[in-house]
Amino acid sequence: KAGVTQTPRYLIKTRGQQVTLSCSPISGHRSVSWYQQTPGQGLQFLFEYFSETQRNKGNFPGRFSGRQFSNSRSEMNVSTLELGDSALYLCASRSQETQYFGPGTRLLVL
Amino acid sequence: GEDVEQSLFLSVREGDSSVINCTYTDSSSTYLYWYKQEPGAGLQLLTYIFSNMDMKQDQRLTVLLNKKDKHLSLRIADTQTGDSAIYFCAERGSGGYNKLIFGAGTRLAVHP
Repeated sequence: KAGVTQTPRYLIKTRGQQVTLSCSPISGHRSVSWYQQTPGQGLQFLFEYFSETQRNKGNFPGRFSGRQFSNSRSEMNVSTLELGDSALYLCASRSQETQYFGPGTRLLVL
Repeated sequence: GEDVEQSLFLSVREGDSSVINCTYTDSSSTYLYWYKQEPGAGLQLLTYIFSNMDMKQDQRLTVLLNKKDKHLSLRIADTQTGDSAIYFCAERGSGGYNKLIFGAGTRLAVHP
């Protein structure tokens, strides 16, 4: 089976812009979660989707949003980008008790 | 609250065993995980343990869980240079099925 794929892998944006990141989970997995990784804050949970519904949300401002499609692919959107949004954004798909992570999208906000 | 702590750095000689330690606070955690991250890469799931187990072994990896002390460890036998990476301990928080609470990561350096 193919693993979790994320696009794009690298992205450079400027402050105030918005960005959309995409994640395709492992075939057959219906649950997708997103995490933000920064040197200062480490790995932090953003949100989780299952069958197109958000089931859980981390402590992030409303500028961070997501959605899931009927084929389980997920997107996350960050509006009005700030310098502090520069991070590695990781997507994970779940099978039973385990989460498998993708390679991440590295976002740089200038 | 939910919190996971790890030591930040470990240096071992090639061929020796490495032991990475982790403590967590959420007594309702049901699963605990170890992930590996190499430079520029995502997280690779190494192993996980259910909270009613004390030990789990998988080839060179041994996980020990002391639920009373909320202490988790990962032992890597015969450590190789390819094991150099950052290792993250994570607990599945009580807030939801998928939410993982990660430690800050332990950087393992393997030297000849």
